[in-house]
Amino acid sequence: NAGVTQTPKFQVLKTGQSMTLQCAQDMNHNSMYWYRQDPGMGLRLIYYSASEGTTDKGEVPNGYNVSRLNKREFSLRLESAAPSQTSVYFCASSFLQGSEGYTFGSGTRLTVV
Amino acid sequence: AQKVTQAQTEISVVEKEDVTLDCVYETRDTTYYLFWYKQPPSGELVFLIRRNSFDEQNEISGRYSWNFQKSTSSFNFTITASQVVDSAVYFCALSDPNAGGTSYGKLTFGQGTILTVHP
Repeated sequence: NAGVTQTPKFQVLKTGQSMTLQCAQDMNHNSMYWYRQDPGMGLRLIYYSASEGTTDKGEVPNGYNVSRLNKREFSLRLESAAPSQTSVYFCASSFLQGSEGYTFGSGTRLTVV
Repeated sequence: AQKVTQAQTEISVVEKEDVTLDCVYETRDTTYYLFWYKQPPSGELVFLIRRNSFDEQNEISGRYSWNFQKSTSSFNFTITASQVVDSAVYFCALSDPNAGGTSYGKLTFGQGTILTVHP
């Protein structure tokens, strides 16, 4: 099915470990985004990529890096995980002419212990 | 900077009651888009509606209706005759077109309203 695919769906890390969250979309969308969701705070933008080859910081970029590998893929890396990064992470892509605007992945639940 | 406020943190109603979820936004853009999403207990984000800043018509879709008032910067969501399946977290969000006009820009979410519908 067309859409946004995130992997993994669940992950437990120890403090200080690193990992990369993968995101791929097959809708030929130009823009892609990474959000984190924490209770009572809605979804907050970590990084986004307006088009292939560009990335920009969002509201909460500290402790994260991103790579727009190609038009399809946008990965999020935690270099040294901290308990404060325990969250649910959503990847999204967008297309202005589409009826819904944004397409979200199913989320990655990350726990840092 | 854009901001979305959903002042109601939690709402609890009994089935068949009507319920309105409030959303107030701030933006300096003249062109922008407003969204509502539903997040059921399973965790995925379900798109409900998109409205652009030039279209102030209210919209009705089954038991759902939306009231967009540019004068008060509000985009409220009403569920008529609520059902237990409506229990979820509801998010209001605001975006502006990205430079180049091919995609949306950053999407700013409100804090969300937890709706619980009791049988």
